[in-house]
Amino acid sequence: QVQLVESGGDVVQPGRSLRLACAAAGFTFSDYGMHWVRQAPGKGLEWVAVISTDGTKKNHVDSVKGRFTISRDNSENTLYLHMDRLRADDTAVYYCARGLRHFDLWGQGTLVTVSS
Amino acid sequence: DIVMTQTPLSLSVTPGQPASISCKSSQSLLHSDGDTYLYWYLQRPGQPPQLLIYEVSNRFSGVPDRFSGSGSGTDFTLKISRVEAEDVGLYYCMQSIQLPPTFGQGTKVEIK
Repeated sequence: QVQLVESGGDVVQPGRSLRLACAAAGFTFSDYGMHWVRQAPGKGLEWVAVISTDGTKKNHVDSVKGRFTISRDNSENTLYLHMDRLRADDTAVYYCARGLRHFDLWGQGTLVTVSS
Repeated sequence: DIVMTQTPLSLSVTPGQPASISCKSSQSLLHSDGDTYLYWYLQRPGQPPQLLIYEVSNRFSGVPDRFSGSGSGTDFTLKISRVEAEDVGLYYCMQSIQLPPTFGQGTKVEIK
């Protein structure tokens, strides 16, 4: 079954770190660029980061640059988002999504809550 | 960053009636390669977004033909020819001609 399954969401204090994972199944993971997109409670969609098929090219939205890092392990069919120095405004459901220019497959999302 | 502006922000539609959502971008989405990088997504309640339309007017696999997209440059429209109950949710336009990809604010469609 073609799917993406996120994990790693949690309640964390401001300033702490967290790593999200996205397990891919049912397709050749290494053939696709991958993204993280987030959605704060009751808000719209915000793109967070993209990584190329081989992991050598990455880009992050300005609000997370220097704090978040996208990475991937093609041997494990897994996408990651390492998040440092978390802030209250990082609270959101984080989705992984497949594609380059558009996102044709999304995971169900994992909730990250940053609160003291 | 490119700003995407959707109107209206909410829409209440009688089943079987048409609906239309407008999306305007702050810059042209026509790339030098000839493609226009404008997409439409539907997020049903409690679900992740799903791709409806890619590159302005192409329906994604499995999307009913009552959905259609049109437009060019900076002005785009998503139309539903006859709204059904399953069409309820938030509709987002998105551009990816340049990083970062940006979304419109979302249009909430509900059934009367």
